[in-house]
Amino acid sequence: EADIYQTPRYLVIGTGKKITLECSQTMGHDKMYWYQQDPGMELHLIHYSYGVNSTEKGDLSSESTVSRIRTEHFPLTLESARPSHTSQYLCASSEYKTGTNTGELFFGEGSRLTVL
Amino acid sequence: ELKVEQNPLFLSMQEGKNYTIYCNYSTTSDRLYWYRQDPGKSLESLFVLLSNGAVKQEGRLMASLDTKARLSTLHITAAVHDLSATYFCAVNSGYALNFGKGTSLLVTP
Repeated sequence: EADIYQTPRYLVIGTGKKITLECSQTMGHDKMYWYQQDPGMELHLIHYSYGVNSTEKGDLSSESTVSRIRTEHFPLTLESARPSHTSQYLCASSEYKTGTNTGELFFGEGSRLTVL
Repeated sequence: ELKVEQNPLFLSMQEGKNYTIYCNYSTTSDRLYWYRQDPGKSLESLFVLLSNGAVKQEGRLMASLDTKARLSTLHITAAVHDLSATYFCAVNSGYALNFGKGTSLLVTP
């Protein structure tokens, strides 16, 4: 079972502020992901990473950026937050090796962002 | 583009009843995942189905996969209130999981 942690869990900020959502996992998983989910709605992939120094854009266009300097850490940054960024952001990780890899994603508790 | 469709999207059922949630997907895949999400919470993995004909059961929930029909089912037996949640199926797109819209289940007395 993966342990994956997100901070902050809840954040209310004003328009134009820069924010970083933190995500860390302790299971040594190579792949990490960010999904965006509006309340009661489906999940949309916004970023993913295969490993250190790898970042890819997901299926949903996002103004956020990510970095992957360490295996365990995958922060997401919004340079200038807007009300349209109000959402829940879910971080996940999975193994990325052949053989026993099931492809299962393990999710953090989520960061709920409100931009006023 | 991989599409994942669930039905129904909303389900209200009485305790003790049985029901099935369906998950169809549009491209070939031999892996399918079911997750549960409680209100305001994150996603919890329920089942990982890794081959055609796979069947897994946990308590009152049973999931199956038919890769030829591109269909998975989540069957609920004798529902209880604790099963009230949103259930998502997901399929591997090659680089991540694509999720369905979710089925919001409410079990009433």
